[in-house]
Amino acid sequence: GAGVSQSPSNKVTEKGKDVELRCDPISGHTALYWYRQSLGQGLEFLIYFQGNSAPDKSGLPSDRFSAERTGGSVSTLTIQRTQQEDSAVYLCASSLYREQYFGPGTRLTVT
Amino acid sequence: GENVEQHPSTLSVQEGDSAVIKCTYSDSASNYFPWYKQELGKGPQLIIDIRSNVGEKKDQRIAVTLNKTAKHFSLHITETQPEDSAVYFCAASRDNTGKLIFGQGTTLQVKP
Repeated sequence: GAGVSQSPSNKVTEKGKDVELRCDPISGHTALYWYRQSLGQGLEFLIYFQGNSAPDKSGLPSDRFSAERTGGSVSTLTIQRTQQEDSAVYLCASSLYREQYFGPGTRLTVT
Repeated sequence: GENVEQHPSTLSVQEGDSAVIKCTYSDSASNYFPWYKQELGKGPQLIIDIRSNVGEKKDQRIAVTLNKTAKHFSLHITETQPEDSAVYFCAASRDNTGKLIFGQGTTLQVKP
């Protein structure tokens, strides 16, 4: 079946611009997660949506980062006024139970 | 906060040998421990997981062991093949939060 999809696969933006990253979870999965992977580093949790509950935003690094999930499905991660340190691969995952399944990621480069 | 330490950072083995990667966690409330394989340019792929009520789990050439008392868990790959070459991540999470805390990753190289 279809896995988690993310778009765009690559995004190059200038410092100070806003960017939107999209995630389409596996159909029927109630939970959706965003993680960030900096070059050669492990994965850092950003935000977690579970059903209609309030999202867990405890991993967002600053108030420039926000995310929403519409209709319990598609999610958008928005980074405002991008900085060079925001350059990373942004990964989305979804789950029905404990197992999280990841998409291919969006590679963001801030120049 | 929760922390997961993973060792070694790099591991090189000959094809056919076994590989072992170890992780320790700090939060005693953690009860779910997945392992992911990440190939270059791809997202992490779940390869095996274990819950805290189980001490060992095996799936073909891959096994995971958990020692709750010592708060460590390990991934064992037997009869390694070149296609096992990748970066492997361990992770831990609690019941009341979905977020995974990841180790720093191990780059496994299997030499033909």
